[in-house]
Formats: sequence, structure tokens, C-alpha cells
Amino acid sequence: EAQVTQNPRYLITVTGKKLTVTCSQNMNHEYMSWYRQDPGLGLRQIYYSMNVEVTDKGDVPEGYKVSRKEKRNFPLILESPSPNQTSLYFCASTLGQGDRGGYTFGSGTRLTVV
Amino acid sequence: GQNIDQPTEMTATEGAIVQINCTYQTSGFNGLFWYQQHAGEAPTFLSYNVLDGLEEKGRFSSFLSRSKGYSYLLLKELQMKDSASYLCAVRGNAGNMLTFGGGTRLMVKP
Repeated sequence: EAQVTQNPRYLITVTGKKLTVTCSQNMNHEYMSWYRQDPGLGLRQIYYSMNVEVTDKGDVPEGYKVSRKEKRNFPLILESPSPNQTSLYFCASTLGQGDRGGYTFGSGTRLTVV
Repeated sequence: GQNIDQPTEMTATEGAIVQINCTYQTSGFNGLFWYQQHAGEAPTFLSYNVLDGLEEKGRFSSFLSRSKGYSYLLLKELQMKDSASYLCAVRGNAGNMLTFGGGTRLMVKP
């Protein structure tokens, strides 16, 4: 089944403790992206990647890192999480420019930083 | 940059028709998408417009006017399960990235 898989689905952590949210897609998509979703603010892009070893900042990149060492994986790293990073996070992928289907989204990771 | 506006909330009656509007101002345009999102779940793809006009898919239709920076999603024969948020998103010219509007929360009442 074609899908984007995120892990974990739920995570509660403490301020300053490094964490990684994994994302993997099995559709051979070139483009991958991370979004966060907060009430009243909608989906905001954190980072995106157009291919292996090619990443760029989105609208809200502060406090996050990403890597794209393989085409299928695009982990999101929070080096020192803070409470304002409590949010619902989505990983998404798409085939490439002109893809009529837009992004396929993972199931989401609900992160709470205390 | 991109600016995408849509109403925050709408209410409609089961069996009726509802139109959700979206206006956008973007530095580049390479397609407009509508997604449906139930609370706490991932957005799922509904429709795509890149040329002016109406695209119909079952009970859902989407319209685009590029000159006006305007789109709407039309939902016919509303069902209770259509209660969800509807997200308008624009793909710009930079890579293949989508910028989302804040979403419209639709409540369908009996």
C-alpha cells in the first residue's frame, strides 16, 4: 500500500531533550515536506526537500533540523525542544512538479513538550 | 510570498449544497488544491485545478479563476460525514511546495 509512515503517533517529552520524528514513504517520491498544525494557524511548512541531500527552509524552520540521506526517509529533528513546539506534525510527500495529486500526508505526530 | 484566505467556519444542513470560497495572492502559481481533514487526522486530497474552470468529481466540484485569484469548493447533497475542515492550498513556482490557507471548518447539521 502506497503510504507515508510517521513515528511516533504521540510523544510527550521534556524541555531540552533531543528527539527525532521519523518519516518514510514507499512511493519513490522526490519531494518531501514537514508541516506543523496549530489551532487558528493552519498548516505551516517547516522544511522541505526536493531530492536526496537537497533541503530548504519553509516558513517556520527555527528550532528544527532535517536530513535527506535517502530518498524514502526525511526525519525531523528537534535538538532542544521547547513548549512552543507542542503541536501536531505532518510529514508529506509528492512525486514531483506537476503532480496533480498534491501531497500524500502521514497520519501525524502529536508532540507535547512540558 | 503567499496569502490565502478562506472563511473560518460554516454551517449547513444535511442534503443541502454549500460553497467554500478561497482567495489567494501568490508570487507564483502552479495549481490549487482542496483537501479534507477530519479532526486529528491527516488531510486527504479532494481536487486539483490549474486551469480556469470547473472540475467535477462526484458530489464535489472545484472552480478556479486565476485572473481573480479565486477558487471555490462546492459540496452537494451534504452528508453528516462531510463535517470536517476543508483546506485550500496553492502550489507556487518554487519546487513543489504547497502553502495552505487556515482551513474552513464545516459543520453539517441534521
